[in-house]
Amino acid sequence: DQQVKQNSPSLSVQEGRISILNCDYTNSMFDYFLWYKKYPAEGPTFLISISSIKDKNEDGRFTVFLNKSAKHLSLHIVPSQPGDSAVYFCAASDPSGYALNFGKGTSLLVTP
Amino acid sequence: DAGVIQSPRHEVTEMGQEVTLRCKPISGHDYLFWYRQTMMRGLELLIYFNNNVPIDDSGMPEDRFSAKMPNASFSTLKIQPSEPRDSAVYFCASSLVRGETQYFGPGTRLLVL
Repeated sequence: DQQVKQNSPSLSVQEGRISILNCDYTNSMFDYFLWYKKYPAEGPTFLISISSIKDKNEDGRFTVFLNKSAKHLSLHIVPSQPGDSAVYFCAASDPSGYALNFGKGTSLLVTP
Repeated sequence: DAGVIQSPRHEVTEMGQEVTLRCKPISGHDYLFWYRQTMMRGLELLIYFNNNVPIDDSGMPEDRFSAKMPNASFSTLKIQPSEPRDSAVYFCASSLVRGETQYFGPGTRLLVL
């Protein structure tokens, strides 16, 4: 049963514009959320995270927003660059768990 | 820091053969995870260890799969006998803190013919 869902398998954005990747979760016990980026033939690399005590976390061009009441988080990339083209995974964990629950990923293509 | 190291990077084998995948976690990380990635199911957690002890292997698909962690710097995932449906990319990851950021290796791409 998928507790973390990324309903958009792919997204295409023009260079310089904003990319918004969405993630929904079903487990209200999740208290820590992460985004990973994955290039072909490489492992996922950690991008940014947010704790449930916050509703926003920013790191350079990347911002993650958390809406706990809606059980929704989003990753904003501004401005988008061609090098951002990759698969983005959303993940979540709860206080009692050791492991992360991953979504199936969204493939982002940033076109020049 | 070398990051998580996995070997081999690619493995092609025939059905029925034994396959052993290897992982060296980041030094000092107490948690080690094995994942499998397929198109259909995405990233699935197979098993994880804490201080070399298996904590939860409920994600291991069948008895044909086994994993060990004989010491803090080495883990293996073994498939015996292998089947074509085992073809996937297998990732190893490690983390310092329970439930938080995991650092992934480059993966082993397995093809079982």
